[in-house]
Amino acid sequence: ETGVTQTPRHLVMGMTNKKSLKCEQHLGHNAMYWYKQSAKKPLELMFVYNFKEQTENNSVPSRFSPECPNSSHLFLHLHTLQPEDSALYLCASSQVAGATGELFFGEGSRLTVL
Amino acid sequence: AQRVTQPEKLLSVFKGAPVELKCNYSYSGSPELFWYVQYSRQRLQLLLRHISRESIKGFTADLNKGETSFHLKKPFAQEEDSAMYYCALSPMDSNYQLIWGAGTKLIIKP
Repeated sequence: ETGVTQTPRHLVMGMTNKKSLKCEQHLGHNAMYWYKQSAKKPLELMFVYNFKEQTENNSVPSRFSPECPNSSHLFLHLHTLQPEDSALYLCASSQVAGATGELFFGEGSRLTVL
Repeated sequence: AQRVTQPEKLLSVFKGAPVELKCNYSYSGSPELFWYVQYSRQRLQLLLRHISRESIKGFTADLNKGETSFHLKKPFAQEEDSAMYYCALSPMDSNYQLIWGAGTKLIIKP
């Protein structure tokens, strides 16, 4: 497996469920990102991790909880979400956060909150 | 405020016709600008960046600081160019934030 891999690709959950999204990158990068992509809106940066340290939390509600156990793995833990949280969640990686390098994206996890 | 605007949500042109996807930005400093593309059922990927000054798949984009624009152009569109195109700005004084436009869906008609 190469590049950035996200699982699951599709997730349906109720508002009281707890679920997690997983991202894995095989590019040797040191920075990983979570983005939210809603229809007809710009990509919204949620979290940034640089060398496993969270360096950006873009005013994301606490019902989204990221975890980065190492530079290759990134999780997004979901709890008591709202229907408006339904979106495509994209994971990305880059060599180092802050450098003007290329972002490599996963295919996304499509989340539906009922 | 820093902003990227792609005024066209949808652009439809015939194969062989010229294409121009518009991108305007609002930023007082010297930005770095990018075009990303998402083909059907594929992941979002970098198409080109202004500092490279290169042509990728026949596309070019010139940074016009006077007009604060970074339009993407191709002289002769091909059907495989159909995709979503996103313009993004990296402020030189920002560490991690790419500022994204809302995207333009390009459809090339045969």
